[in-house]
Amino acid sequence: AQSVTQLGSHVSVSEGALVLLRCNYSSSVPPYLFWYVQYPNQGLQLLLKYTSAATLVKGINGFEAEFKKSETSFHLTKPSAHMSDAAEYFCAVSGSQGGSEKLVFGKGTKLTVNP
Amino acid sequence: EAGVTQSPTHLIKTRGQQATLRCSPISGHTSVYWYQQALGLGLQFLLWYDEGEERNRGNFPPRFSGRQFPNYSSELNVNALELEDSALYLCASSTRGGSNQPQHFGDGTRLSIL
Repeated sequence: AQSVTQLGSHVSVSEGALVLLRCNYSSSVPPYLFWYVQYPNQGLQLLLKYTSAATLVKGINGFEAEFKKSETSFHLTKPSAHMSDAAEYFCAVSGSQGGSEKLVFGKGTKLTVNP
Repeated sequence: EAGVTQSPTHLIKTRGQQATLRCSPISGHTSVYWYQQALGLGLQFLLWYDEGEERNRGNFPPRFSGRQFPNYSSELNVNALELEDSALYLCASSTRGGSNQPQHFGDGTRLSIL
């Protein structure tokens, strides 16, 4: 079965500081990995996706993530945090296990950006 | 391009009633997914429809059901509502093409059970 672990349910950074949100996955098949962001009272917005083309993936709003198979990780980073980045971030994995195509999500990391 | 739209935004029901939630996918998307986001339980997969057929369901009781219409829109029905069904229900859509296709989400329906 596939699973995702997000280390740290809450992360707090200062405006302009590096953002690092951690995600480790478990999958018995080559995984497809996604990061989503959820602002209050909204749905999920896709930030970026890894689908085996390149290990360093660039997304929207200056975010990027690096797929490391040896560490089973897919951490999300942004060089300089902005106040508008305050939101909850979800890492998700999917894979062709019987063609289910469902997303399995981590429990989320709430990012606070301090002025 | 219009995104995934869900209605209603909020729905208030009492225990034992039935609820119907609706979802319109992005134009050109044939797959629709339903997820439940309950406090403390995170995001859990409910149902997947494609081309009018139920393709997979998560670990939810049979009182959670749905359907997909010929225009690819979808309904989620929850019968015999229980207090624990209070949650944000998110619909997502994608093109059919495998697990690497990203799912695009609507803003959800918040279901409150009194």
